[in-house]
This record gives sequence, structure tokens and C-alpha cells, in this order.
Amino acid sequence: NAGVTQTPKFQVLKTGQSMTLQCAQDMNHEYMSWYRQDPGMGLRLIHYSVGAGITDQGEVPNGYNVSRSTTEDFPLRLLSAAPSQTSVYFCASSYSIRGTEAFFGQGTRLTVV
Amino acid sequence: AQSVSQHNHHVILSEAASLELGCNYSYGGTVNLFWYVQYPGQHLQLLLKYFSGDPLVKGIKGFEAEFIKSKFSFNLRKPSVQWSDTAEYFCAVRGSGYSTLTFGKGTMLLVSP
Repeated sequence: NAGVTQTPKFQVLKTGQSMTLQCAQDMNHEYMSWYRQDPGMGLRLIHYSVGAGITDQGEVPNGYNVSRSTTEDFPLRLLSAAPSQTSVYFCASSYSIRGTEAFFGQGTRLTVV
Repeated sequence: AQSVSQHNHHVILSEAASLELGCNYSYGGTVNLFWYVQYPGQHLQLLLKYFSGDPLVKGIKGFEAEFIKSKFSFNLRKPSVQWSDTAEYFCAVRGSGYSTLTFGKGTMLLVSP
């Protein structure tokens, strides 16, 4: 199994550009989530999904959209990139939201200039 | 809302020294607790987890953690650290019901040879 796969690994955007970070998992996990990691801030939850067609906001959702059309995929869209969105983004999945461990992707390092 | 506090942002140890990283959480109900490790440039990997039962849990690479319910704590320990333990360590909590995973801000551990 590949686990959780994120693409791209690195990306540089100009302010105002849009892009989609891809996340796919092959473990048939119900629950998927996106986090951003910033120095000294730990990981903060952006959006999450408890199953296909169901998404909800996390701690820092502004400027990001998500959708979950299939169990496997959970893309994160930046609508109009801002320098404050420079960060490392991690996608995670777990069997369910109820007390199971999360598996993380390798991360996407995004720089907005 | 749940929250996690990690006591130390940076810890520097010599090889063979003992390690204890503090973690306190805030949540009104039953919790699941996790420690994740992030080696430089890599994604998060699970070190150990507590769901129920014996409050002393053992994880990979000689790490262990003790859940003390009365103190809302889940401290990570290792009797003798190695240079290869240099990494950032994150404590995380999830309410055992329908709840998202919340991370602490992380502790950067540097082990000098």
C-alpha cells in the first residue's frame, strides 16, 4: 500500500494565484484531514471530512476550500494565495474519526511570494 | 474544545541522557492520546498511543508514555536517548467520541553525540 500520497512536494505561487494540493489514500479510510504546520505553532487543522460528500471546517479554514467526491481523494484548494499561506501542508487519514490513529502524507511545502 | 500544551519548545541533551517531555491536555471527557515524531524533512510518524487500559504505554524505538488522568498528562519518556532521536515531537489528543485530532505546538529535541 502507498498509504497517504500528497502532490506536489514543493510549490511556489505568486500572490493571487490559485492551486490545488492533492491528497489520496488507498487504505479505505473514512476520515481525512488537512493541516498546516508553521514554526512554533504545531499543526493546525484546516478542513476535515468524515466521508465522501461530507466536509467541515477546522481551526484555520479561511482561504481554503475542500471537497470529498470519493473516499480516496481529498484535495485542498487555495482560492487566491497570500503570503500568510506560506507553510507546510500535511494531509492525514484515519479509519474513522472515533479514536483511531492518523496516518500522514509526506507534506507539501508551499511558498507564496 | 480540546487543547494540548507541551511544556518545552526546545530540549538539548547529550547521548545516553534520559528524556522526559511534558504534555498536558484539556478535555472534558474520555480521550485518546498520541505522541508523533517528525524527523528532519519528513512527515509525522506515530510513536505511541493510548486508548484505554494500562496507563503506561510502550511505543517504538524504546519510547514510553504514562497517562495520568488526575493530572491530565501524557508525558513521553526514554531512558537513554541517541543522536538519531533528534526530531520534533508532538503530543496530540482526540476526544473518544466524534472529535478531531488536536496537536500541541511541538518540542524540538536535539541530541548531541
